[in-house]
Amino acid sequence: AQSVTQLGSHVSVSEGALVLLRCNYSSSVPPYLFWYVQYPNQGLQLLLKYTSAATLVKGINGFEAEFKKSETSFHLTKPSAHMSDAAEYFCAVSEFSPGSYQLTFGKGTKLSVIP
Amino acid sequence: NAGVTQTPKFQVLKTGQSMTLQCAQDMNHNSMYWYRQDPGMGLRLIYYSASEGTTDKGEVPNGYNVSRLNKREFSLRLESAAPSQTSVYFCASSAHRSNDEQYFGPGTRLTVT
Repeated sequence: AQSVTQLGSHVSVSEGALVLLRCNYSSSVPPYLFWYVQYPNQGLQLLLKYTSAATLVKGINGFEAEFKKSETSFHLTKPSAHMSDAAEYFCAVSEFSPGSYQLTFGKGTKLSVIP
Repeated sequence: NAGVTQTPKFQVLKTGQSMTLQCAQDMNHNSMYWYRQDPGMGLRLIYYSASEGTTDKGEVPNGYNVSRLNKREFSLRLESAAPSQTSVYFCASSAHRSNDEQYFGPGTRLTVT
C-alpha cells in the first residue's frame, strides 16, 4: 500500500513570505499525486495534480508543486503568502484497488498566515 | 451543476440510534466514496463504489453500511451509532481514471452522544 507523509501538522508564515508545505510519498509505481485545500467548514477542493506530463505543476491561487522522483517528494510552494491562504492542505497519492482508483491522504498541514 | 451534494449538514444522534447520510453527484461519475475526517487523522476511506451495483470496504468500514442506489446516489448508513463515530463525513466522486481527481461534497458533521 502506498503512503503519504506530510511534515509539520501546523505551519505559520508571515503575510508575503514564502509558503513551503512538505509531502513525501511511498509508491512502487510512478504515482499520481494531488494537493487539496480545505477552508474552514468546507469540503476539499483540488489545488493541483501531478500526472507525469511535467515535474513542475502549477495550480490555482498561485500555488505550485515540484515532483522529485529521487527524493519521493511533492512539496507545495507559493512565493508570497496571502491571508486568504489560511487553510488546511492535504497531499494525496492515487492507488488502484479492486475496480477503482483510491486516494491515500496525508494527515494534513494547517497553514496560518500572520499579518 | 451542483457537483456533489450531501444531506444533512449537521446531525446529533444518541448512542444506538440509526441514520442514513445521503450523497448525490450530477457529473456522471462512475466512482463514489465515503470518508471520515477526524482531527490529526486526515481523511480515511470508509467505503467506495467503483460503479453502479458494486461496493467495497475501505480502511475503516466497521459500523457502517453503504448502498449505491443508482449512478448518481451513494448512501452511508450507521445502524447503531457509537460515540467513536462522531466525525465529519465527506462524500466524493470521480470519473474512474488513474489521474482523475475526486470531487468532494461539503460534508456532514455528526455528533453521537
